[in-house]
Amino acid sequence: NAGVTQTPKFQVLKTGQSMTLQCAQDMNHNSMYWYRQDPGMGLRLIYYSASEGTTDKGEVPNGYNVSRLNKREFSLRLESAAPSQTSVYFCASSGPWTGANYGYTFGSGTRLTVV
Amino acid sequence: DQQVKQNSPSLSVQEGRISILNCDYTNSMFDYFLWYKKYPAEGPTFLISISSIKDKNEDGRFTVFLNKSAKHLSLHIVPSQPGDSAVYFCAAPRGGAGNMLTFGGGTRLMVKP
Repeated sequence: NAGVTQTPKFQVLKTGQSMTLQCAQDMNHNSMYWYRQDPGMGLRLIYYSASEGTTDKGEVPNGYNVSRLNKREFSLRLESAAPSQTSVYFCASSGPWTGANYGYTFGSGTRLTVV
Repeated sequence: DQQVKQNSPSLSVQEGRISILNCDYTNSMFDYFLWYKKYPAEGPTFLISISSIKDKNEDGRFTVFLNKSAKHLSLHIVPSQPGDSAVYFCAAPRGGAGNMLTFGGGTRLMVKP
């Protein structure tokens, strides 16, 4: 089925460890995003990629890096994990916003716990 | 600065009754609004949207109302069903390149049988 695929679904890290969250979409979308969801805070944008070859910071980029590997793939890296990065991470993608074609397609999320 | 706010973190409604979820925004430049629905262990999915040139959009049991003068929108679900139990987010495009959405904090709806 077409959509956004995230791996892994769950991860536990120790403080200071690093890891990369993977995201791939097969809808030929230009734009991709990484959000984190925390209780009461909604979804906050970490980084986005408006098109292949470009990346930009969102609202909460500190402690993260991203790579837009190609049009399909957009990865999020935590270089030195901290307990404050315990969250649920969502990757999303979107095509051009025209008419009724607004909004994102989200992946199913990665639940990350940093101990 | 949260430009989109959902002030009710949770709402409990009896099956068959109306659910009303509210959302306020501060940026008068927002010209489009979306509602997303999220079940546990799943990503959010698009539910319904409204353009700022309209004050109402209806899709089956779901209706979104927009009051631009009050910078307020609401999602009505009639009649509510237990399967509607989920977290609902309102969102608005932030403008600029990249089609970025800014989201409210979410409201957890519980529909009791």
